[in-house]
Amino acid sequence: ILNVEQSPQSLHVQEGDSTNFTCSFPSSNFYALHWYRWETAKSPEALFVMTLNGDEKKKGRISATLNTKEGYSYLYIKGSQPEDSATYLCASPDSSYKLIFGSGTRLLVRP
Amino acid sequence: DSGVTQTPKHLITATGQRVTLRCSPRSGDLSVYWYQQSLDQGLQFLIHYYNGEERAKGNILERFSAQQFPDLHSELNLSSLELGDSALYFCASSLGGRSTDTQYFGPGTRLTVL
Repeated sequence: ILNVEQSPQSLHVQEGDSTNFTCSFPSSNFYALHWYRWETAKSPEALFVMTLNGDEKKKGRISATLNTKEGYSYLYIKGSQPEDSATYLCASPDSSYKLIFGSGTRLLVRP
Repeated sequence: DSGVTQTPKHLITATGQRVTLRCSPRSGDLSVYWYQQSLDQGLQFLIHYYNGEERAKGNILERFSAQQFPDLHSELNLSSLELGDSALYFCASSLGGRSTDTQYFGPGTRLTVL
């Protein structure tokens, strides 16, 4: 069974701080790595889909990197704002292409 | 707004009952996925349909069933409901059924079983 792990579980930062968190996944039989942003009382919103080793993607102040050889991805937020407060989920498909989600990193940005 | 719609938004029912959750995918998307999020649990994959056919199944209980209709909308049927079935049920859709396709999530249906 594919295991996707995220750390830390939660993170409190001050407005303006830059932050990053990690998603770990098995490096064998890798297909893709998905990042989602999930605000309270809303539904998960797709951020990135990454497939190639060394991939880097950026959306505004949020960026992500991928290392498929060692089985990890980092999500970075530059200059965090209170509206960045959300749970950030990563997910990777297993061999039958089912998306297996990590438990998420809950980010709280204090004004 | 992802373009995926789910009805109803909230559902309150009693143990032993049966309910149907409905999902309409984004225009043009052929795949529909169902997920369950229980209290203190992460998003759990239930089932995936692509163009009317079942593609993959997760740890979906035998009391649960789903289908995707010719117009591509999908229904998730939950029967003999138990207290533990109370959860948020999300539907997502994607253009195809590939592992690299972005999945777009609907607003969810919150099911409460009393």
